[in-house]
Amino acid sequence: GQQLNQSPQSMFIQEGEDVSMNCTSSSIFNTWLWYKQDPGEGPVLLIALYKAGELTSNGRLTAQFGITRKDSFLNISASIPSDVGIYFCAGQLLPGSARQLTFGSGTQLTVLP
Amino acid sequence: KAGVTQTPRYLIKTRGQQVTLSCSPISGHRSVSWYQQTPGQGLQFLFEYFSETQRNKGNFPGRFSGRQFSNSRSEMNVSTLELGDSALYLCASRSGGQGNTEAFFGQGTRLTVV
Repeated sequence: GQQLNQSPQSMFIQEGEDVSMNCTSSSIFNTWLWYKQDPGEGPVLLIALYKAGELTSNGRLTAQFGITRKDSFLNISASIPSDVGIYFCAGQLLPGSARQLTFGSGTQLTVLP
Repeated sequence: KAGVTQTPRYLIKTRGQQVTLSCSPISGHRSVSWYQQTPGQGLQFLFEYFSETQRNKGNFPGRFSGRQFSNSRSEMNVSTLELGDSALYLCASRSGGQGNTEAFFGQGTRLTVV
């Protein structure tokens, strides 16, 4: 099955710094999604990407769908304390029988004041 | 617009028992997927239901089953519980069309098997 490698596994940054994390896949996806999960809660959708090469922003967040369809990155600019949490990438292969999301292992982000 | 609602939030069961979890999707959404989240395995896909039919299934044993009702609400059942079934069970709702659509998650049900 598909393998998603997400890195880094964890990050400690100072408030105000920019953050970058990425996911690479052994297979092609046609959708990439980025989620944030707080402790004890479900993942919250941050950004959805549907086309290779697509670059999408949501406030301080920017994500790109890699041109090879096998990778995606998420950038967070000017980090603030509420950015703390676990960030997951998720890929979807095709509509139809392969609609399930394959998740990366997560990036634990800690923002230091 | 109400989000995805999962009940109960927390559950403690004994090995060998069975459990039923419930998920109400976003109004108008017809697709419900279930995921298991554990520290060791991360988020793993269980199954997806659309219009009361299981459309897709992950690699889990037959002890894990589900169903969907005509109002799109879904239940998942785990029989003969094992300690390793302790996890956060998440339900994801999407509109369900064949095109790419975004999945929105509920808060999850934290199942502890003792």
